Amino acid sequence: LAKTTQPISMDSYEGQEVNITCSHNNIATNDYITWYQQFPSQGPRFIIQGYKTKVTNEVASLFIPADRKSSTLSLPRVSLSDTAVYYCLVGDRNDMRFGAGTRLTVKP
Amino acid sequence: EAQVTQNPRYLITVTGKKLTVTCSQNMNHEYMSWYRQDPGLGLRQIYYSMNVEVTDKGDVPEGYKVSRKEKRNFPLILESPSPNQTSLYFCASSRTDLRELFFGEGSRLTVL
Repeated sequence: LAKTTQPISMDSYEGQEVNITCSHNNIATNDYITWYQQFPSQGPRFIIQGYKTKVTNEVASLFIPADRKSSTLSLPRVSLSDTAVYYCLVGDRNDMRFGAGTRLTVKP
Repeated sequence: EAQVTQNPRYLITVTGKKLTVTCSQNMNHEYMSWYRQDPGLGLRQIYYSMNVEVTDKGDVPEGYKVSRKEKRNFPLILESPSPNQTSLYFCASSRTDLRELFFGEGSRLTVL
């Protein structure tokens, strides 16, 4: 069963690029890697998903090395409103497990 | 509007008094799941359902029951709540491919 490990917290400043890495050494062949964002008192919200290499959408990029044992969420030019908890989810069907998440604080 | 609706959003109850937290989705999703969130522990899965009449235990199923009689509804039942079930609960749904989970707004439960 895939388990994820992320840093507990990170600080950044407005306008900087933020990279959050997730370790998932036991990732299975069928597992996708998905990142979610959660604001206080709200449900998590989907950010981005990938299987291998690089994926980019309007809000983030996801980098996945060839061995898929880790992944990096990249947030370009963060703003104060990006302050949230970010979860890396690795799983498929019977194993949709979240880790403890990374609390990102963006400072002015 | 596509959404997952949970009720109640807030509830204070007492030990042993049975309660049900309802969850309903309007996206015709096959997959539904319940999570609890506690400080420092992230989101832990309680139960999930791949389709109607199909449910399975997650990581922390003790003290909870679920049912999936209709595709859109997935209620969480606490037969005899205890204080250690005080938590923030989230319901989520997804298509069968599990590409994206849609979460409800959460139900904050306090058991005295």
